Amino acid sequence: GEDVEQSLFLSVREGDSSVINCTYTDSSSTYLYWYKQEPGAGLQLLTYIFSNMDMKQDQRLTVLLNKKDKHLSLRIADTQTGDSAIYFCAESTWAGNMLTFGGGTRLMVKP
Amino acid sequence: DTGVSQDPRHKITKRGQNVTFRCDPISEHNRLYWYRQTLGQGPEFLTYFQNEAQLEKSRLLSNRFSAERPKGSFSTLEIQRTEQGDSAMYLCASSLFEFTTGELFFGEGSRLTVL
Repeated sequence: GEDVEQSLFLSVREGDSSVINCTYTDSSSTYLYWYKQEPGAGLQLLTYIFSNMDMKQDQRLTVLLNKKDKHLSLRIADTQTGDSAIYFCAESTWAGNMLTFGGGTRLMVKP
Repeated sequence: DTGVSQDPRHKITKRGQNVTFRCDPISEHNRLYWYRQTLGQGPEFLTYFQNEAQLEKSRLLSNRFSAERPKGSFSTLEIQRTEQGDSAMYLCASSLFEFTTGELFFGEGSRLTVL
């Protein structure tokens, strides 16, 4: 079945860039997402990328997709303490289909 | 508040009891999803509806789990004869089924503790 893997933890200093990595196994994944989960809040979509794209930039966020290696990354520029949260990578084979999530990467931003 | 709402936010029950969770999606959304999230893990898909039709239920964890969306609006997730392993956060999400991004809007979840 589908599998999505992420590293568990990342710690950075405020102002640095953060890079969160994700690998997936389903070669038919068409949509890849990054969701953010803050304590006591629901998951919130940060950004997404279609499988026919290599890169997508959205303000401080840059998503890179290496479809050959099935590797997805999220770069957060100028990381702020408010970026501290758990970040989930997710994939689906088509829009509106069920999402398969990774285990999440906890990002800690130190002042 | 026009987001996805879930009730109750926290349920503590004894093993063997039945529990029911309710989800009210964003009003114009025709798709509704249930996920389960255990501590330190990502959400795990359980089932989803398009309007009142349950389109996928093979991922429900056992026959003790059932979900309904009778009028295509709110949904309920019932767990019968709860076990300690059912302790988790149950997440509901909704979306508008169009050929767009497939973004899901999540509620804050219902946390189940089975003693």
